[in-house]
Amino acid sequence: EVQVVESGGGLVQPGGSLRLSCLVSGLTFSDYEMNWVRQSPVKELEWVSNISSSDSNIHYVDSVKGRFIISRDNAKQSLFLQMNTLRVEDTAVYYCVSGRNCPNGVCNSAASFQYWGLGTLVVVSS
Amino acid sequence: DIQMTQSPSTLSASVGDRVTITCRASQSVFNWLAWFQQRPGKAPKLLIYKASTLETGVPSRFSGSGSGAEYTLTISSLQPDDSATYYCQQSSTYPWTFGQGTRVEIK
Repeated sequence: EVQVVESGGGLVQPGGSLRLSCLVSGLTFSDYEMNWVRQSPVKELEWVSNISSSDSNIHYVDSVKGRFIISRDNAKQSLFLQMNTLRVEDTAVYYCVSGRNCPNGVCNSAASFQYWGLGTLVVVSS
Repeated sequence: DIQMTQSPSTLSASVGDRVTITCRASQSVFNWLAWFQQRPGKAPKLLIYKASTLETGVPSRFSGSGSGAEYTLTISSLQPDDSATYYCQQSSTYPWTFGQGTRVEIK
C-alpha cells in the first residue's frame, strides 16, 4: 500500500519561511516524478511545483518562482518544499502528490497524480 | 497559462441519472487531461487520465471523452457515493492548471 505523509505546515507571519516534508512508502520513490499541489481556503486547486525522478528537471508556477524550492532525497524516499518570503495568499493545504512513473528516466505510463497525502495546512497571517 | 473552465459549477441529480461535466481549455491540451473526485475533508482522487483512461479501481460508470480543448466526464448512473466535487486538470503545458470544480449533489 502506498502511503504519502506530509509534515511541516503551521502558522507563519508574512515574510517568514517554512519547510514542508513528504515521506513516501510503498513504491519505488526514485522512479517517480513528484509534485506539490495546494488547495486554498476557497477550495481552488493549484499545482505548485514538480521535480523529475532524478531531480534534473524542475518546474514552478509563476507565483512561487524565486520564493519556493522543491527538492528530493531518493535515499530517504522524501520530497521537500522550502517556502520563503511567504505571503498571505500562500495560505492553503499543501499536498504531496506522485507524478509519472519514469524508471531510468523513461516514463512507462501517462498516469500521474495517483497518490496523494492528506495534506499539511500552511497559514500565513500576522 | 492555459485556463480550464468547467461547467456547470454545481449540479443536482437523482440516483440513477446520467451526469455530464464539461471542461474547456483555453487552447488544446492534446488529451493531457485528467479528472479528479474530491469528497469533503479528503484529498482529490484520480478518476481518469489521458482524457479517457480509467484509473485502476475506479467504477466503470465513470468515463471520459473529448479532444483538443473540450473534454467531458460522464457518470452513467449516479450513485449516492458520487456526491463530491469534480476537477479537471491539464498537464500539457506548464504551469499545469485545474478547473474551478463542479459540485455534484444528490437530490
